[in-house]
Amino acid sequence: GAVVSQHPSRVICKSGTSVKIECRSLDFQATTMFWYRQFPKQSLMLMATSNEGSKATYEQGVEKDKFLINHASLTLSTLTVTSAHPEDSSFYICSARLNSVSPETQYFGPGTRLLVL
Amino acid sequence: SQQGEEDPQALSIQEGENATMNCSYKTSINNLQWYRQNSGRGLVHLILIRSNEREKHSGRLRVTLDTSKKSSSLLITASRAADTASYFCATIIQGAQKLVFGQGTRLTINP
Repeated sequence: GAVVSQHPSRVICKSGTSVKIECRSLDFQATTMFWYRQFPKQSLMLMATSNEGSKATYEQGVEKDKFLINHASLTLSTLTVTSAHPEDSSFYICSARLNSVSPETQYFGPGTRLLVL
Repeated sequence: SQQGEEDPQALSIQEGENATMNCSYKTSINNLQWYRQNSGRGLVHLILIRSNEREKHSGRLRVTLDTSKKSSSLLITASRAADTASYFCATIIQGAQKLVFGQGTRLTINP
């Protein structure tokens, strides 16, 4: 099946710094990528939908100036957590949709665990 | 907001027993999917059932869908220790293009 990678897998940063997380589709082109956040023992919450070459669509309650999303190519989307605070500590997971013909098919990355001290 | 609610939230059974997890959702859907997540890892797609299907099988997995009750169930037969994970249902709401996940069931298989 299609493979999605994330980098880094784990990051620890100081409060106030910015952290960039990369999501790559390794063997297919993804016109749409999704970013989710998951707190411990909770479900995945969709943060934003990222379309290649256009602005991301954010879910209600997600600050677009704090969670910057860039989808500059068909194989790469980045999420930058700006001025991170301890409450941003979470598990961030991306997914990539293969194409618009099969919108229900998404492939998930392994996740990035962020710890803000 | 969450679309689905799952029960039980946690389930612990002995190896070899069957495990049943339920999912309810609120709005009309095109399909419903089940995913597995091992602790601290990404999601693995298990099975997709379309709104015009009532039951689907894949190996030891059996999924049912009742659109009149807006509910689905996932049955894992002859459970194994490796089945220990969290299981999530997810739906794509009609007209939307995004997956919305249920709360999940944490399944523990005791050897």
